[in-house]
Amino acid sequence: GAVVSQHPSRVICKSGTSVKIECRSLDFQATTMFWYRQFPKQSLMLMATSNEGSKATYEQGVEKDKFLINHASLTLSTLTVTSAHPEDSSFYICSARDPQQGTTPYNSPLHFGNGTRLTVT
Amino acid sequence: AQKVTQAQTEISVVEKEDVTLDCVYETRDTTYYLFWYKQPPSGELVFLIRRNSFDEQNEISGRYSWNFQKSTSSFNFTITASQVVDSAVYFCALSLLRGAGNMLTFGGGTRLMVKP
Repeated sequence: GAVVSQHPSRVICKSGTSVKIECRSLDFQATTMFWYRQFPKQSLMLMATSNEGSKATYEQGVEKDKFLINHASLTLSTLTVTSAHPEDSSFYICSARDPQQGTTPYNSPLHFGNGTRLTVT
Repeated sequence: AQKVTQAQTEISVVEKEDVTLDCVYETRDTTYYLFWYKQPPSGELVFLIRRNSFDEQNEISGRYSWNFQKSTSSFNFTITASQVVDSAVYFCALSLLRGAGNMLTFGGGTRLMVKP
Protein backbone atom coordinates (compact mmCIF):
# COMPACT_ATOMS: atom_id res chain seq x y z
CA GLY A 1 0.00 0.00 0.00
CA ALA A 2 0.86 3.65 -0.17
CA VAL A 3 3.58 4.70 2.22
CA VAL A 4 4.59 8.13 3.36
CA SER A 5 7.96 8.43 5.00
CA GLN A 6 8.79 11.29 7.33
CA HIS A 7 12.23 12.12 8.67
CA PRO A 8 13.45 12.70 11.30
CA SER A 9 11.10 11.08 13.78
CA ARG A 10 12.50 13.08 16.67
CA VAL A 11 14.61 16.19 16.83
CA ILE A 12 15.82 18.33 19.67
CA CYS A 13 17.23 21.71 18.82
CA LYS A 14 18.27 24.87 20.55
CA SER A 15 16.21 28.00 20.42
CA GLY A 16 17.07 30.12 17.41
CA THR A 17 18.14 27.30 15.13
CA SER A 18 16.29 25.97 12.10
CA VAL A 19 15.00 22.46 11.62
CA LYS A 20 14.08 20.75 8.36
CA ILE A 21 11.54 17.94 8.21
CA GLU A 22 11.22 15.79 5.10
CA CYS A 23 8.14 14.04 3.83
CA ARG A 24 8.40 11.52 1.03
CA SER A 25 5.82 9.49 -0.81
CA LEU A 26 7.58 6.20 -1.39
CA ASP A 27 5.51 4.43 -4.00
CA PHE A 28 3.33 7.08 -5.53
CA GLN A 29 3.57 10.62 -6.81
CA ALA A 30 1.91 13.36 -4.82
CA THR A 31 1.33 16.76 -6.37
CA THR A 32 -0.12 17.87 -3.08
CA MET A 33 1.01 17.14 0.44
CA PHE A 34 -0.40 18.40 3.68
CA TRP A 35 1.35 19.45 6.86
CA TYR A 36 -0.40 19.10 10.19
CA ARG A 37 0.58 20.08 13.68
CA GLN A 38 -0.54 18.32 16.83
CA PHE A 39 -0.07 19.62 20.34
CA PRO A 40 -0.07 17.11 23.21
CA LYS A 41 -3.46 15.51 23.71
CA GLN A 42 -4.98 17.67 21.02
CA SER A 43 -6.26 17.15 17.55
CA LEU A 44 -4.49 17.67 14.26
CA MET A 45 -4.57 21.14 12.82
CA LEU A 46 -3.81 21.73 9.17
CA MET A 47 -0.92 24.15 8.81
CA ALA A 48 -0.42 24.29 5.08
CA THR A 49 -0.93 22.61 1.76
CA SER A 50 2.24 21.94 -0.16
CA ASN A 51 1.93 22.15 -3.94
CA GLU A 52 4.53 20.68 -6.26
CA GLY A 53 6.11 23.40 -8.35
CA SER A 54 4.25 26.28 -6.77
CA LYS A 55 3.85 28.13 -3.52
CA ALA A 56 2.36 26.49 -0.51
CA THR A 57 -1.03 27.53 0.78
CA TYR A 58 -1.00 28.39 4.46
CA GLU A 59 -3.90 28.25 6.86
CA GLN A 60 -4.93 31.34 8.71
CA GLY A 61 -2.65 32.11 11.60
CA VAL A 62 0.31 30.11 10.33
CA GLU A 63 3.40 32.23 9.73
CA LYS A 64 4.74 31.69 6.23
CA ASP A 65 8.18 33.00 7.07
CA LYS A 66 8.50 30.77 10.07
CA PHE A 67 7.28 27.55 8.49
CA LEU A 68 8.91 27.35 5.08
CA ILE A 69 7.53 24.70 2.78
CA ASN A 70 9.19 23.45 -0.36
CA HIS A 71 7.69 20.85 -2.68
CA ALA A 72 10.44 20.45 -5.22
CA SER A 73 9.44 17.10 -6.65
CA LEU A 74 6.43 14.84 -6.90
CA THR A 75 7.69 12.71 -4.05
CA LEU A 76 9.23 15.17 -1.61
CA SER A 77 7.97 18.04 0.48
CA THR A 78 10.00 19.72 3.21
CA LEU A 79 8.95 21.83 6.15
CA THR A 80 11.58 24.07 7.70
CA VAL A 81 10.91 25.58 11.07
CA THR A 82 13.06 28.70 11.08
CA SER A 83 14.44 30.33 14.21
CA ALA A 84 12.66 27.79 16.34
CA HIS A 85 11.41 28.70 19.79
CA PRO A 86 10.11 26.52 22.62
CA GLU A 87 6.52 27.27 21.64
CA ASP A 88 7.20 25.58 18.30
CA SER A 89 7.70 22.30 20.13
CA SER A 90 5.04 20.02 18.77
CA PHE A 91 4.32 16.90 16.74
CA TYR A 92 4.40 17.63 13.01
CA ILE A 93 2.78 15.19 10.61
CA CYS A 94 2.74 15.22 6.85
CA SER A 95 0.26 13.46 4.63
CA ALA A 96 -0.38 12.74 1.00
CA ARG A 97 -2.97 11.10 -1.15
CA ASP A 98 -2.26 8.25 -3.48
CA PRO A 99 -4.06 9.34 -6.68
CA GLN A 100 -4.65 5.70 -7.60
CA GLN A 101 -6.78 5.14 -4.53
CA GLY A 102 -10.35 6.35 -4.41
CA THR A 103 -12.36 7.63 -7.33
CA THR A 104 -11.92 11.33 -6.58
CA PRO A 105 -9.41 13.43 -4.61
CA TYR A 106 -12.02 13.75 -1.92
CA ASN A 107 -12.79 10.18 -1.07
CA SER A 108 -9.34 8.69 -1.04
CA PRO A 109 -7.76 8.39 2.36
CA LEU A 110 -4.79 10.46 3.31
CA HIS A 111 -1.70 8.50 4.16
CA PHE A 112 0.27 9.96 6.99
CA GLY A 113 3.93 9.92 7.83
CA ASN A 114 4.96 8.72 11.26
CA GLY A 115 5.36 12.27 12.44
CA THR A 116 8.24 14.32 13.78
CA ARG A 117 8.40 15.23 17.42
CA LEU A 118 10.18 18.56 17.67
CA THR A 119 11.50 19.77 21.00
CA VAL A 120 13.04 23.22 21.16
CA THR A 121 15.10 23.89 24.25
CA ALA B 1 -17.96 26.16 8.30
CA GLN B 2 -17.47 22.48 8.86
CA LYS B 3 -16.91 21.00 12.27
CA VAL B 4 -16.37 17.58 13.76
CA THR B 5 -17.14 16.90 17.40
CA GLN B 6 -16.01 13.90 19.38
CA ALA B 7 -17.61 14.52 22.72
CA GLN B 8 -15.79 11.72 24.51
CA THR B 9 -12.24 12.83 25.23
CA GLU B 10 -11.28 9.67 27.09
CA ILE B 11 -12.86 6.27 27.49
CA SER B 12 -11.57 3.49 29.67
CA VAL B 13 -12.86 -0.08 29.32
CA VAL B 14 -11.81 -3.52 30.40
CA GLU B 15 -10.70 -5.97 27.79
CA LYS B 16 -13.51 -7.78 25.98
CA GLU B 17 -15.99 -5.02 26.59
CA ASP B 18 -17.69 -3.38 23.63
CA VAL B 19 -17.13 0.34 23.21
CA THR B 20 -18.66 2.97 20.94
CA LEU B 21 -16.87 6.15 19.96
CA ASP B 22 -19.17 8.98 18.98
CA CYS B 23 -18.67 11.40 16.14
CA VAL B 24 -20.98 14.25 15.16
CA TYR B 25 -20.25 16.52 12.25
CA GLU B 26 -21.54 19.76 10.86
CA THR B 27 -21.56 20.87 7.26
CA ARG B 28 -23.91 22.55 4.85
CA ASP B 29 -22.58 20.54 1.96
CA THR B 30 -24.72 17.68 0.72
CA THR B 31 -21.77 15.67 -0.54
CA TYR B 32 -18.90 14.91 1.72
CA TYR B 33 -16.74 12.10 3.03
CA LEU B 34 -16.13 10.86 6.52
CA PHE B 35 -13.11 9.03 7.83
CA TRP B 36 -11.88 7.37 10.97
CA TYR B 37 -8.20 7.22 11.82
CA LYS B 38 -6.38 5.49 14.65
CA GLN B 39 -3.32 6.99 16.32
CA PRO B 40 -1.51 4.48 18.56
CA PRO B 41 1.03 5.66 21.15
CA SER B 42 3.77 5.52 18.52
CA GLY B 43 2.14 8.49 16.82
CA GLU B 44 1.45 7.41 13.27
CA LEU B 45 -2.06 7.78 11.92
CA VAL B 46 -3.69 4.69 10.53
CA PHE B 47 -6.63 4.88 8.15
CA LEU B 48 -9.60 2.77 9.24
CA ILE B 49 -12.55 3.64 7.05
CA ARG B 50 -14.05 6.17 4.66
CA ARG B 51 -17.71 6.72 3.96
CA ASN B 52 -19.42 9.02 1.49
CA SER B 53 -22.52 10.96 2.37
CA PHE B 54 -24.71 9.00 -0.02
CA ASP B 55 -23.87 5.64 1.44
CA GLU B 56 -25.61 5.10 4.73
CA GLN B 57 -24.97 1.40 4.87
CA ASN B 58 -23.40 0.33 8.09
CA GLU B 59 -20.12 -1.45 7.73
CA ILE B 60 -18.48 -4.20 9.70
CA SER B 61 -14.86 -5.19 9.48
CA GLY B 62 -13.91 -7.84 11.98
CA ARG B 63 -14.38 -6.39 15.43
CA TYR B 64 -14.96 -2.91 14.04
CA SER B 65 -18.29 -1.54 12.90
CA TRP B 66 -19.49 1.87 11.84
CA ASN B 67 -22.96 3.38 12.05
CA PHE B 68 -23.54 6.33 9.73
CA GLN B 69 -26.77 8.25 10.23
CA LYS B 70 -27.12 11.26 8.02
CA SER B 71 -30.31 12.35 9.76
CA THR B 72 -28.41 12.96 12.96
CA SER B 73 -25.07 13.83 11.33
CA SER B 74 -23.35 11.07 13.21
CA PHE B 75 -20.74 8.52 12.25
CA ASN B 76 -20.15 6.34 15.27
CA PHE B 77 -17.52 3.66 15.60
CA THR B 78 -17.93 0.51 17.68
CA ILE B 79 -15.23 -1.91 18.73
CA THR B 80 -16.55 -5.27 19.80
CA ALA B 81 -14.68 -7.38 22.33
CA SER B 82 -12.02 -4.73 22.81
CA GLN B 83 -8.39 -5.70 23.19
CA VAL B 84 -5.43 -3.97 24.80
CA VAL B 85 -3.99 -3.33 21.33
CA ASP B 86 -7.02 -1.18 20.58
CA SER B 87 -5.69 1.41 23.03
CA ALA B 88 -5.10 4.52 20.98
CA VAL B 89 -6.52 7.89 20.09
CA TYR B 90 -9.22 7.69 17.46
CA PHE B 91 -10.01 10.60 15.17
CA CYS B 92 -13.10 11.18 13.11
CA ALA B 93 -12.59 13.47 10.12
CA LEU B 94 -14.65 15.21 7.46
CA SER B 95 -13.64 15.97 3.88
CA LEU B 96 -15.56 18.37 1.67
CA LEU B 97 -15.51 18.60 -2.11
CA ARG B 98 -13.58 21.79 -2.51
CA GLY B 99 -10.10 23.14 -2.53
CA ALA B 100 -7.29 20.64 -2.63
CA GLY B 101 -9.74 17.90 -1.92
CA ASN B 102 -8.04 16.29 0.96
CA MET B 103 -8.14 18.89 3.62
CA LEU B 104 -9.49 16.94 6.49
CA THR B 105 -11.21 18.58 9.39
CA PHE B 106 -10.48 16.44 12.39
CA GLY B 107 -12.47 15.99 15.54
CA GLY B 108 -10.71 16.43 18.83
CA GLY B 109 -10.06 12.72 19.17
CA THR B 110 -11.12 10.13 21.70
CA ARG B 111 -8.45 8.44 23.77
CA LEU B 112 -9.41 4.82 24.31
CA MET B 113 -7.72 2.89 27.06
CA VAL B 114 -8.35 -0.83 27.16
CA LYS B 115 -7.21 -2.42 30.39
CA PRO B 116 -6.39 -6.10 30.70
